[in-house]
Amino acid sequence: DGGITQSPKYLFRKEGQNVTLSCEQNLNHDAMYWYRQDPGQGLRLIYYSQIVNDFQKGDIAEGYSVSREKKESFPLTVTSAQKNPTAFYLCASSIQGQVVGEQFFGPGTRLTVL
Amino acid sequence: AQKVTQAQTEISVVEKEDVTLDCVYETRDTTYYLFWYKQPPSGELVFLIRRNSFDEQNEISGRYSWNFQKSTSSFNFTITASQVVDSAVYFCALSEFNAGNMLTFGGGTRLMVKP
Repeated sequence: DGGITQSPKYLFRKEGQNVTLSCEQNLNHDAMYWYRQDPGQGLRLIYYSQIVNDFQKGDIAEGYSVSREKKESFPLTVTSAQKNPTAFYLCASSIQGQVVGEQFFGPGTRLTVL
Repeated sequence: AQKVTQAQTEISVVEKEDVTLDCVYETRDTTYYLFWYKQPPSGELVFLIRRNSFDEQNEISGRYSWNFQKSTSSFNFTITASQVVDSAVYFCALSEFNAGNMLTFGGGTRLMVKP
């Protein structure tokens, strides 16, 4: 079945460590996105990529980095520069074209800093 | 700048009651898209509906219905005869045509349906 997978589901990190969250899609979508969700709040855009080897910062990119070497994959690294990384992270993908299509979401990764 | 406001942070109803979730948006574009997503306790967002700015016709899908009114910049969502399985967080989102597929989300409304 086509869809988006994220791993791991739960992730624990010690302060000062970098961690990488995985996002893979087999929907053949060109665009991919990373969002952060804090308790009781909406989703905020961290980074997005509309095509392979290209990505742009979203609203809250500081302390995060991404890469887009393959169409199917868009990993997110949470660096030690991110001061408050404990949150729920959601990856999404969509078609890219003249019509704005819906974004399809993965199951999310819950990151906790110990 | 685009903005989406969901003023109701939490709503609690008893099963079989009807409930309406409010969504008000702001945009300067004449072409835009509005979305509703459901986030069950598992966390994954589930797409419910997309509506473009030129189509103000209301839509009904089973127990779900949506009321789009450009005059009040609102895109409200009604669940008829609510069920416990409807308990979730619901997000309204906006995408301006010139912004590509970028979504701006509202803060979400947590709906609790009690048996």
